[in-house]
Amino acid sequence: GESVGLHLPTLSVQEGDNSIINCAYSNSASDYFIWYKQESGKGPQFIIDIRSNMDKRQGQRVTVLLNKTVKHLSLQIAATQPGDSAVYFCAENIPIQGAQKLVFGQGTRLTINP
Amino acid sequence: GAGVSQSPRYKVAKRGQDVALRCDPISGHVSLFWYQQALGQGPEFLTYFQNEAQLDKSGLPSDRFFAERPEGSVSTLKIQRTQQEDSAVYLCASSSPSHPGEQYFGPGTRLTVT
Repeated sequence: GESVGLHLPTLSVQEGDNSIINCAYSNSASDYFIWYKQESGKGPQFIIDIRSNMDKRQGQRVTVLLNKTVKHLSLQIAATQPGDSAVYFCAENIPIQGAQKLVFGQGTRLTINP
Repeated sequence: GAGVSQSPRYKVAKRGQDVALRCDPISGHVSLFWYQQALGQGPEFLTYFQNEAQLDKSGLPSDRFFAERPEGSVSTLKIQRTQQEDSAVYLCASSSPSHPGEQYFGPGTRLTVT
């Protein structure tokens, strides 16, 4: 299954299928992007990040793709499991004095059907 | 502790009351961030500390919001004369100097103003 992020905030997939969650960002100067997973009642949890000098990065069952030309990020989750059910946010890292603040997208709720 | 902790986890306040929300960051993390998350939305940046110095407070919505971190560890977010629109989850995050882009979030405090 695939979502278009801000325009389709809910994605339902069958257990075992692959999921693709999309996100558009706005700031051309952003050089670092992160995907967070947020389960109900918890704070966002870091999943994977990517720097602007890369177009793909793989983790365990997750892959992030970055297309700077169209300012688009995607998160691919392989072989989704019930524990993957959560809201997924992409975030841009914006430099501020001495650090970086996160600017989050609206999020996509991923539901896994048994 | 192993992660960022926040207290209280839930707070109900009558309109006009003052509230104080506490954050204990990960030990050794010099950067501390506060975010506000409205229902169904992504977190939004409020303010940032590096040690005890508040270097960015551009996200604070009004002068009723005040944050402090007097000894460079525990931080308190205070909201005076609470309004219904202040109802949200308030998230605290911290990051280390070696990985400034990786922010670790606490579970949040859910504030409900009645």
